[in-house]
Amino acid sequence: AQSVTQPDIHITVSEGASLELRCNYSYGATPYLFWYVQSPGQGLQLLLKYFSGDTLVQGIKGFEAEFKRSQSSFNLRKPSVHWSDAAEYFCAVLMDTGRRALTFGSGTRLQVQP
Amino acid sequence: DTAVSQTPKYLVTQMGNDKSIKCEQNLGHDTMYWYKQDSKKFLKIMFSYNNKELIINETVPNRFSPKSPDKAHLNLHINSLELGDSAVYFCASSQDAGGVSEAFFGQGTRLTVV
Repeated sequence: AQSVTQPDIHITVSEGASLELRCNYSYGATPYLFWYVQSPGQGLQLLLKYFSGDTLVQGIKGFEAEFKRSQSSFNLRKPSVHWSDAAEYFCAVLMDTGRRALTFGSGTRLQVQP
Repeated sequence: DTAVSQTPKYLVTQMGNDKSIKCEQNLGHDTMYWYKQDSKKFLKIMFSYNNKELIINETVPNRFSPKSPDKAHLNLHINSLELGDSAVYFCASSQDAGGVSEAFFGQGTRLTVV
């Protein structure tokens, strides 16, 4: 069965600093990959997705992610974090066959210090 | 214009009661989902419907019964509520069955069973 691991439960960065959130997946083939953000009390908003092609994908709010097949990773990055980026971030995968529903990682909570 | 809307946003009820959560999407999507987010923020699929047909039914107690009167609506009815049912329930939709398209999420319904 596929699984998604986000090894960092909680990350604190200073405003203006760079950010990298880690995501590793376990799946026999290349899945479809997503990053969602959940602000407090809100639903999930899609930041970006990878289906195929260029392994560096750009998303909203200045986020990007890089798919590395050799490492089964899809890490999320942002060069300069803003205080409004404080939220919970979820990596998710979707298989291309069979059970078609997102499998989520456990999330990474991002705190931003002024 | 809210794409995926759930009602109510908050629901506090006593053990043993029966309650429903409603979900509507105005995106014209074919597939709708219910996800449960537990107290540790872990998100897990419960059900998925495609054009009113149940396609995913995870290991969920049969006290939970989804109902899809049409492809724009997917309601969740819960019988004999238990303390462990307390969670945030998210409705989502996507263009096709599990889709190679992203899922759009509602704001969530925070259910508290006392």
